[in-house]
Amino acid sequence: EAGVAQSPRYKIIEKRQSVAFWCNPISGHATLYWYQQILGQGPKLLIQFQNNGVVDDSQLPKDRFSAERLKGVDSTLKIQPAKLEDSAVYLCASSLVFTAKVNTEAFFGQGTRLTVV
Amino acid sequence: RKEVEQDPGPFNVPEGATVAFNCTYSNSASQSFFWYRQDCRKEPKLLMSVYSSGNEDGRFTAQLNRASQYISLLIRDSKLSDSATYLCVARGFGNEKLTFGTGTRLTIIP
Repeated sequence: EAGVAQSPRYKIIEKRQSVAFWCNPISGHATLYWYQQILGQGPKLLIQFQNNGVVDDSQLPKDRFSAERLKGVDSTLKIQPAKLEDSAVYLCASSLVFTAKVNTEAFFGQGTRLTVV
Repeated sequence: RKEVEQDPGPFNVPEGATVAFNCTYSNSASQSFFWYRQDCRKEPKLLMSVYSSGNEDGRFTAQLNRASQYISLLIRDSKLSDSATYLCVARGFGNEKLTFGTGTRLTIIP
Protein backbone atom coordinates (compact mmCIF):
# COMPACT_ATOMS: atom_id res chain seq x y z
CA GLU A 1 0.00 0.00 0.00
CA ALA A 2 1.38 3.40 -0.97
CA GLY A 3 2.04 5.75 1.91
CA VAL A 4 1.49 9.47 2.27
CA ALA A 5 3.37 11.30 -0.47
CA GLN A 6 4.79 14.78 0.04
CA SER A 7 6.80 17.09 -2.15
CA PRO A 8 9.22 18.70 -2.27
CA ARG A 9 11.46 17.06 0.33
CA TYR A 10 13.55 20.18 0.84
CA LYS A 11 13.05 23.84 0.08
CA ILE A 12 15.21 26.90 0.74
CA ILE A 13 13.68 30.32 0.17
CA GLU A 14 14.37 33.90 1.16
CA LYS A 15 12.14 35.67 3.64
CA ARG A 16 9.12 37.36 2.07
CA GLN A 17 9.04 34.80 -0.75
CA SER A 18 6.19 32.35 -1.15
CA VAL A 19 6.28 28.56 -1.08
CA ALA A 20 3.83 25.71 -1.58
CA PHE A 21 3.85 22.13 -0.34
CA TRP A 22 1.87 19.24 -1.75
CA CYS A 23 0.48 16.15 -0.06
CA ASN A 24 -1.29 13.07 -1.41
CA PRO A 25 -2.79 10.99 1.40
CA ILE A 26 -3.29 7.25 1.53
CA SER A 27 -6.14 6.23 -0.74
CA GLY A 28 -9.46 6.20 1.09
CA HIS A 29 -8.30 8.30 4.03
CA ALA A 30 -10.89 11.01 4.61
CA THR A 31 -8.94 12.88 7.27
CA LEU A 32 -5.84 14.87 6.32
CA TYR A 33 -3.64 16.84 8.69
CA TRP A 34 -0.86 19.40 8.17
CA TYR A 35 1.60 19.74 11.03
CA GLN A 36 4.55 22.09 11.58
CA GLN A 37 7.48 20.65 13.50
CA ILE A 38 10.18 23.01 14.68
CA LEU A 39 13.48 21.43 15.68
CA GLY A 40 13.30 19.99 19.18
CA GLN A 41 9.52 20.29 19.45
CA GLY A 42 6.57 18.02 18.84
CA PRO A 43 4.39 18.40 15.74
CA LYS A 44 1.95 21.30 15.98
CA LEU A 45 -1.36 20.98 14.11
CA LEU A 46 -1.87 23.70 11.51
CA ILE A 47 -5.02 22.47 9.80
CA GLN A 48 -7.19 19.36 9.66
CA PHE A 49 -9.51 18.40 6.81
CA GLN A 50 -12.22 15.80 6.64
CA ASN A 51 -12.83 15.17 2.96
CA ASN A 52 -12.76 18.71 1.52
CA GLY A 53 -14.02 20.48 4.64
CA VAL A 54 -11.91 22.16 7.31
CA VAL A 55 -12.36 20.62 10.77
CA ASP A 56 -9.78 22.66 12.68
CA ASP A 57 -7.56 25.54 11.61
CA SER A 58 -7.35 27.32 14.94
CA GLN A 59 -3.53 27.35 14.95
CA LEU A 60 -3.05 28.28 11.30
CA PRO A 61 -1.53 31.79 10.93
CA LYS A 62 -4.13 32.85 8.42
CA ASP A 63 -2.44 36.11 7.52
CA ARG A 64 0.29 34.14 5.74
CA PHE A 65 -0.68 30.47 5.61
CA SER A 66 -3.41 28.92 3.50
CA ALA A 67 -4.37 25.35 2.68
CA GLU A 68 -6.87 23.65 0.46
CA ARG A 69 -8.14 20.19 -0.34
CA LEU A 70 -10.50 20.98 -3.15
CA LYS A 71 -11.50 17.48 -4.27
CA GLY A 72 -11.12 15.83 -0.91
CA VAL A 73 -7.99 13.97 -1.96
CA ASP A 74 -4.65 15.75 -2.27
CA SER A 75 -3.87 19.00 -0.52
CA THR A 76 -1.59 22.02 -0.79
CA LEU A 77 -0.24 24.24 1.97
CA LYS A 78 1.03 27.69 1.04
CA ILE A 79 3.04 30.29 2.91
CA GLN A 80 3.06 33.85 1.60
CA PRO A 81 5.14 35.73 2.60
CA ALA A 82 7.53 33.49 4.51
CA LYS A 83 9.27 34.58 7.70
CA LEU A 84 12.47 33.29 9.27
CA GLU A 85 10.46 31.61 12.04
CA ASP A 86 8.64 29.47 9.45
CA SER A 87 11.77 27.34 9.11
CA ALA A 88 10.55 23.89 10.12
CA VAL A 89 9.52 20.50 8.81
CA TYR A 90 5.98 20.46 7.42
CA LEU A 91 4.39 17.07 7.89
CA CYS A 92 1.28 15.80 6.22
CA ALA A 93 -0.64 12.92 7.76
CA SER A 94 -3.81 11.03 6.91
CA SER A 95 -6.15 8.63 8.64
CA LEU A 96 -9.41 6.80 8.25
CA VAL A 97 -12.36 8.33 10.03
CA PHE A 98 -12.37 7.34 13.68
CA THR A 99 -15.10 4.98 14.84
CA ALA A 100 -15.87 3.64 18.27
CA LYS A 101 -14.70 0.22 17.13
CA VAL A 102 -11.44 1.16 15.49
CA ASN A 103 -8.77 3.39 17.00
CA THR A 104 -7.46 4.65 13.71
CA GLU A 105 -3.88 5.84 13.60
CA ALA A 106 -2.48 8.67 11.51
CA PHE A 107 0.18 7.86 8.92
CA PHE A 108 2.76 10.52 8.14
CA GLY A 109 4.58 11.49 5.00
CA GLN A 110 8.33 12.10 5.05
CA GLY A 111 7.80 15.83 5.39
CA THR A 112 9.12 18.92 3.65
CA ARG A 113 12.08 20.59 5.32
CA LEU A 114 11.76 24.34 4.81
CA THR A 115 14.61 26.75 5.44
CA VAL A 116 13.88 30.47 5.26
CA VAL A 117 16.98 32.64 4.96
CA ARG B 1 -1.11 24.77 30.15
CA LYS B 2 -0.23 22.59 27.17
CA GLU B 3 -2.85 20.08 26.07
CA VAL B 4 -0.33 17.23 26.16
CA GLU B 5 2.77 17.45 28.34
CA GLN B 6 5.84 15.27 28.42
CA ASP B 7 9.24 15.45 30.08
CA PRO B 8 11.53 16.26 27.13
CA GLY B 9 14.46 14.42 28.70
CA PRO B 10 16.97 13.46 27.51
CA PHE B 11 16.89 10.06 29.13
CA ASN B 12 20.24 8.26 28.84
CA VAL B 13 19.72 4.65 29.81
CA PRO B 14 22.11 1.65 29.72
CA GLU B 15 21.27 -1.18 27.39
CA GLY B 16 19.09 -3.81 29.03
CA ALA B 17 17.55 -1.43 31.53
CA THR B 18 13.87 -0.65 31.96
CA VAL B 19 12.71 2.89 31.27
CA ALA B 20 9.33 4.54 31.78
CA PHE B 21 7.84 7.74 30.39
CA ASN B 22 4.75 9.55 31.55
CA CYS B 23 2.55 11.97 29.70
CA THR B 24 -0.33 14.09 31.01
CA TYR B 25 -3.25 15.53 29.06
CA SER B 26 -5.50 18.41 29.99
CA ASN B 27 -8.67 17.66 28.01
CA SER B 28 -10.68 15.12 29.96
CA ALA B 29 -12.84 14.53 26.86
CA SER B 30 -9.90 13.12 24.88
CA GLN B 31 -11.11 9.83 23.55
CA SER B 32 -8.05 7.86 22.51
CA PHE B 33 -4.31 7.93 22.86
CA PHE B 34 -1.17 6.79 21.11
CA TRP B 35 2.57 6.57 21.45
CA TYR B 36 4.51 7.45 18.32
CA ARG B 37 8.21 7.00 17.76
CA GLN B 38 10.28 9.48 15.78
CA ASP B 39 13.83 8.78 14.67
CA CYS B 40 16.19 11.65 13.94
CA ARG B 41 15.16 13.50 10.77
CA LYS B 42 12.36 11.02 10.08
CA GLU B 43 8.60 11.20 10.29
CA PRO B 44 6.67 9.98 13.35
CA LYS B 45 5.48 6.38 13.20
CA LEU B 46 2.95 4.64 15.38
CA LEU B 47 4.50 2.61 18.19
CA MET B 48 1.26 1.54 19.84
CA SER B 49 -2.25 2.61 20.66
CA VAL B 50 -3.12 2.98 24.34
CA TYR B 51 -6.22 1.22 25.64
CA SER B 52 -8.02 1.77 28.92
CA SER B 53 -7.21 -1.73 30.11
CA GLY B 54 -3.54 -1.33 29.34
CA ASN B 55 -1.80 -3.15 26.54
CA GLU B 56 1.49 -4.83 25.84
CA ASP B 57 3.45 -5.38 22.66
CA GLY B 58 6.61 -7.35 23.22
CA ARG B 59 8.90 -5.27 25.41
CA PHE B 60 6.55 -2.28 25.38
CA THR B 61 3.66 -1.70 27.78
CA ALA B 62 1.25 1.24 27.64
CA GLN B 63 -1.13 2.28 30.41
CA LEU B 64 -3.92 4.85 30.57
CA ASN B 65 -5.20 6.41 33.78
CA ARG B 66 -8.27 8.49 32.93
CA ALA B 67 -8.89 9.58 36.51
CA SER B 68 -5.46 11.19 36.73
CA GLN B 69 -5.30 12.01 33.02
CA TYR B 70 -1.96 10.43 32.30
CA ILE B 71 -0.51 7.88 29.95
CA SER B 72 2.62 5.86 30.46
CA LEU B 73 5.01 3.86 28.31
CA LEU B 74 7.31 1.22 29.75
CA ILE B 75 10.18 -0.26 27.77
CA ARG B 76 11.78 -3.38 29.18
CA ASP B 77 15.19 -4.83 28.26
CA SER B 78 16.02 -1.73 26.25
CA LYS B 79 17.96 -2.11 23.00
CA LEU B 80 20.27 0.31 21.21
CA SER B 81 17.64 0.49 18.47
CA ASP B 82 15.13 1.95 20.96
CA SER B 83 17.04 5.25 20.84
CA ALA B 84 14.53 7.77 19.46
CA THR B 85 12.06 10.44 20.49
CA TYR B 86 8.78 9.13 21.88
CA LEU B 87 5.71 11.28 21.25
CA CYS B 88 2.54 11.08 23.30
CA VAL B 89 -0.65 11.79 21.32
CA ALA B 90 -4.24 12.50 22.38
CA ARG B 91 -7.23 12.38 20.03
CA GLY B 92 -9.97 14.92 20.65
CA PHE B 93 -13.60 13.95 21.12
CA GLY B 94 -15.83 14.48 18.11
CA ASN B 95 -13.28 16.25 15.91
CA GLU B 96 -10.49 13.65 15.75
CA LYS B 97 -7.89 16.33 16.35
CA LEU B 98 -4.55 14.69 17.14
CA THR B 99 -2.49 16.70 19.64
CA PHE B 100 1.15 15.79 20.15
CA GLY B 101 3.36 16.32 23.15
CA THR B 102 6.84 17.76 22.82
CA GLY B 103 8.35 14.29 22.82
CA THR B 104 10.81 12.55 25.14
CA ARG B 105 14.26 11.87 23.80
CA LEU B 106 15.69 8.49 24.74
CA THR B 107 19.28 7.37 24.18
CA ILE B 108 20.29 3.80 24.99
CA ILE B 109 23.94 3.57 25.98
CA PRO B 110 25.97 0.43 25.18
